Amino acid sequence: DVHLVESGGNLVQPGGSLRLSCAVSGFTFSPYWMGWVRQAPGTGLEWLATISQDGSAVYYVDSVRGRFTISRDNSKKSLFLQLSNLRAEDTAVYYCGRLQLHSLDYWGQGTLVTVSS
Amino acid sequence: DVVLTQSPLSLPVTLGQPASISCRSSQSLVHSDGNTYLTWFQQRPGQSPRRLFYQISNRDSGVPDRFSGSGSGTDFTLTISRVEADDVAVYYCMQGTFWPWTFGQGTRVDVK
Repeated sequence: DVHLVESGGNLVQPGGSLRLSCAVSGFTFSPYWMGWVRQAPGTGLEWLATISQDGSAVYYVDSVRGRFTISRDNSKKSLFLQLSNLRAEDTAVYYCGRLQLHSLDYWGQGTLVTVSS
Repeated sequence: DVVLTQSPLSLPVTLGQPASISCRSSQSLVHSDGNTYLTWFQQRPGQSPRRLFYQISNRDSGVPDRFSGSGSGTDFTLTISRVEADDVAVYYCMQGTFWPWTFGQGTRVDVK
């Protein structure tokens, strides 16, 4: 079975940093593009970032470009999202997912990031 | 950015009756490769989203056939032929044609 498990979410002060991880199992990780999506409390979904199979191509939504960095380690079957200069509006559940045909066919359970003083 | 507008935003339904959700795009979602990357997701309370359809109407494994996806260009529809209790959820459309990929606001389906 395909599994994606996010970790690293926490309470952090404005301006702070966090590193989110996504460990995958049940499929061969390296051939797939991967992505991160977030969901602020009680609201809808926002696509954040996408990364190619070898990490050479990355794409970000404007709201996080320059503050968030997506990366991966194929040897460890892991995806990462480095969050920096965090703002209150970054408070959300962060999901990782496997890309297939320009959408996510599998999602993790999410990890909660709370930005507050 | 491409704006996806879903309607209605709230849909109370009677069990056993049909339900239909519209997703309209601010521009055509036909990709330069000829495909249309319009996806539907279901998010049940307390769960992660689950993909139902990709490329408008291709059903994912395990999705009941009472669900169907249709449309083209800028207008798309998710239809449930006979709503069951298990279908109570928020449904999102998403476009993967133009970066940044974007989602609709979501439509909440619940039982009357």
